[in-house]
Amino acid sequence: NAGVMQNPRHLVRRRGQEARLRCSPMKGHSHVYWYRQLPEEGLKFMVYLQKENIIDESGMPKERFSAEFPKEGPSILRIQQVVRGDSAAYFCASSPPNGREEQYFGPGTRLTVT
Amino acid sequence: DAKTTQPTSMDCAEGRAANLPCNHSTISGNEYVYWYRQIHSQGPQYIIHGLKNNETNEMASLIITEDRKSSTLILPHATLRDTAVYYCIVRVAPFMNRDDKIIFGKGTRLHILP
Repeated sequence: NAGVMQNPRHLVRRRGQEARLRCSPMKGHSHVYWYRQLPEEGLKFMVYLQKENIIDESGMPKERFSAEFPKEGPSILRIQQVVRGDSAAYFCASSPPNGREEQYFGPGTRLTVT
Repeated sequence: DAKTTQPTSMDCAEGRAANLPCNHSTISGNEYVYWYRQIHSQGPQYIIHGLKNNETNEMASLIITEDRKSSTLILPHATLRDTAVYYCIVRVAPFMNRDDKIIFGKGTRLHILP
């Protein structure tokens, strides 16, 4: 059973460009979480999604950031007009719909804004 | 904010037991103690969790005091691959809470020495 997959693993964007990060949850998992880890800092929750629904986006910056988890396909974290402060590791986690298992994390996408 | 207090860093000799303490004096009756770890540049990995009884799995043991205000994660025979940041987290179990985002603190940086 494949784990949580994230791509790309490394992404370089220039200031002002858009970054699109993808997360494919584990098979059978319908809950997806995004976390961000700034350099030398801890992990911070960003958003929690179920299929076609945003459940909790309390950790998302108010502007430029959006997330979706469509009925088909991976979850997407989108950052518009990136700035240097967006440089970080972005981790995705998934859990099954029965809510009885832990969150399983992917390997992360490292975004570098130049 | 995280509800736990952990030492910033610890050292342990390879082959010895690593005992990582955690204080959670404000824990509520329906909150569990979870442990995750993050090996350098990787996504967090679930280790173990417990409510009030001691727990053991293939990775570690969790000892929770009777008053539940503190706990200890034990890695019985530490190896170099156990070098990581270990996070102690207090949270309501996912099957009891619709919004089960994880709030990470700063964790303990464990160095296993050869």
